[in-house]
Amino acid sequence: NAGVTQTPKFRVLKTGQSMTLLCAQDMNHEYMYWYRQDPGMGLRLIHYSVGEGTTAKGEVPDGYNVSRLKKQNFLLGLESAAPSQTSVYFCASSDAGLGGETQYFGPGTRLLVL
Amino acid sequence: DAKTTQPPSMDCAEGRAANLPCNHSTISGNEYVYWYRQIHSQGPQYIIHGLKNNETNEMASLIITEDRKSSTLILPHATLRDTAVYYCIVTSGAGSYQLTFGKGTKLSVIP
Repeated sequence: NAGVTQTPKFRVLKTGQSMTLLCAQDMNHEYMYWYRQDPGMGLRLIHYSVGEGTTAKGEVPDGYNVSRLKKQNFLLGLESAAPSQTSVYFCASSDAGLGGETQYFGPGTRLLVL
Repeated sequence: DAKTTQPPSMDCAEGRAANLPCNHSTISGNEYVYWYRQIHSQGPQYIIHGLKNNETNEMASLIITEDRKSSTLILPHATLRDTAVYYCIVTSGAGSYQLTFGKGTKLSVIP
């Protein structure tokens, strides 16, 4: 099992450009999450999904959109990138129900917005 | 979810037990204590969790005080690969969806 994978690993964008980050999991998990981590800080939840076709806002959703068209994939979109979105983005997945906080994380995507 | 307090940093000699404390004095009866760690530049890794009883798995042991206001994560024989930031998180269980990561404890294992 590959677990949780993220594509790309690193990306440089110019202000105003758009991009999509892809997260894939092969553990048949119901729940998936997108977090961002800024230097010296803990992770903050951007959006999450409790099942195929469903999404919900987390702590810092502004400037991002997500889609969960397939159970195994969770996409994070930046429509018009801003320097404030320079960060490391982590995707995670977990089982539904009790123990849903046992989340499995991907290796991260490092995004630099100039 | 209850707030947690952890020391910002700790050192541990290689091969010795690493004991990482966490205070969660406002924890309520249905809230779990979770521990994650993040090795430099990698995604966080789940370690262990518990509700009331002490727990042990292949990675670590979790000791929760009887009043549940604090807990200790124990790495029995720390290695250099255990150098990481360790996060103690309190969450209400199924349906909360969100892990609130604080600043954690930076554990340095010294040769």
